[in-house]
Amino acid sequence: QSVLTQPPSASGTPGQRVTISCSGSSSNIGSNYVYWYQQLPGTAPKLLIYRSDQRPSGVPDRFSGSKSGTSGSLAISGLRSEDEADYYCAAWDDSLSGVLFGGGTKLTVL
Amino acid sequence: EVQLVESGGGLVQPGGSLRLSCAASGFTFSSYAMSWVRQAPGKGLEWVSTISTNGGSTYHIDSVKGRFTISRDNSKSTLYLQMNSLRAEDTATYYCAKPSRDSSTWYSPHFDYWGQGTLLTVSS
Repeated sequence: QSVLTQPPSASGTPGQRVTISCSGSSSNIGSNYVYWYQQLPGTAPKLLIYRSDQRPSGVPDRFSGSKSGTSGSLAISGLRSEDEADYYCAAWDDSLSGVLFGGGTKLTVL
Repeated sequence: EVQLVESGGGLVQPGGSLRLSCAASGFTFSSYAMSWVRQAPGKGLEWVSTISTNGGSTYHIDSVKGRFTISRDNSKSTLYLQMNSLRAEDTATYYCAKPSRDSSTWYSPHFDYWGQGTLLTVSS
């Protein structure tokens, strides 16, 4: 079973830079784009990054994405208290013919 | 303004059936593939199903194949999820999601709008 693996938690202090990883395989991240979503408590997910490194309009440039081989990363610089949320990566999987979401990373701003 | 409003959730006994609806407005519904994504209480996101613009192509996660059917009525701008043989593990908030017009493929997880979700509880 293909999966996207994220660390369950991450933390940082205000102003710091935090990186969240998303590890996949050749059938998903290795051959398709990575997408990142932010979910605040009790709300629907919000698109942060598309096509691995593109930011939708309205998303601060503090958020950036990258992809290398079978892994993707989300970086948040200048950490702010309002960034405290759950973050999910997603990708299409060619073997499963379906979308995979990572297990999610809970970001805590200390 | 794009709006996606899910409805139809509720409490169902194991083995039962239910149909979820997602009423769309603010965009040309028939021009976009649509998807369902669910989230069990306290858990992560899980993609469930995607349907093409005309309904001719669909994808489902393995765990719901043969039990769930995604469909759409473009004349009503409404997306559906027919759920049969429900199990306790189907308990979740179900979101409908619209892809961006910049999506690289119709089945990419490039969702720019989400509904507020509707809660399904499967329990006796």
